[in-house]
Amino acid sequence: SQKIEQNSEALNIQEGKTATLTCNYTNYSPAYLQWYRQDPGRGPVFLLLIRENEKEKRKERLKVTFDTTLKQSLFHITASQPADSATYLCALGGYNNNDMRFGAGTRLTVKP
Amino acid sequence: EPEVTQTPSHQVTQMGQEVILRCVPISNHLYFYWYRQILGQKVEFLVSFYNNEISEKSEIFDDQFSVERPDGSNFTLKIRSTKLEDSAMYFCASTEGGPENSPLHFGNGTRLTVT
Repeated sequence: SQKIEQNSEALNIQEGKTATLTCNYTNYSPAYLQWYRQDPGRGPVFLLLIRENEKEKRKERLKVTFDTTLKQSLFHITASQPADSATYLCALGGYNNNDMRFGAGTRLTVKP
Repeated sequence: EPEVTQTPSHQVTQMGQEVILRCVPISNHLYFYWYRQILGQKVEFLVSFYNNEISEKSEIFDDQFSVERPDGSNFTLKIRSTKLEDSAMYFCASTEGGPENSPLHFGNGTRLTVT
């Protein structure tokens, strides 16, 4: 069956460091991958989208990579700040269907 | 910035009762979704809706669930006979195009508690 795994439930880092979050998938050939941020009691908020033919996308302090050979996406936050503390979700979907599926998320805590 | 709005924010119901969760998607969006998140668990896909019909549904979306876009602005999720295990946060989302090109815009959810 299809699986989307985010490497750890929780990640703690020091302010100013780079946070790296991992999303692995099996039995899946996604056409695209999206990353979202979720704060407690709130809906997910979109951060970045990357398609299968793209290796890397950047937006301000955020960078995402997509390796279809390794079946993995890495999500980086550089110069992390305490305000970056949240749960980060990856989500995958295929062409011509509208059922994007989410991983369980990684809870990031950035300590001052 | 336009938002997806959901009402109510919290709904408490007794087992076996019907509930309707309401959503107002962003006005120029064409694709609509319901997801749910049981406390402490992942966001799970329920159903997507386009062109006035269901385009995909998950194994969770059984005969107890239905969706409707009754008037061109609202998008509703009905649970016919609620069970204890239906207790969760239900999120509505909308996109301008398909999700391969467009991010999902989520509302802040309705917390459903079934007692």
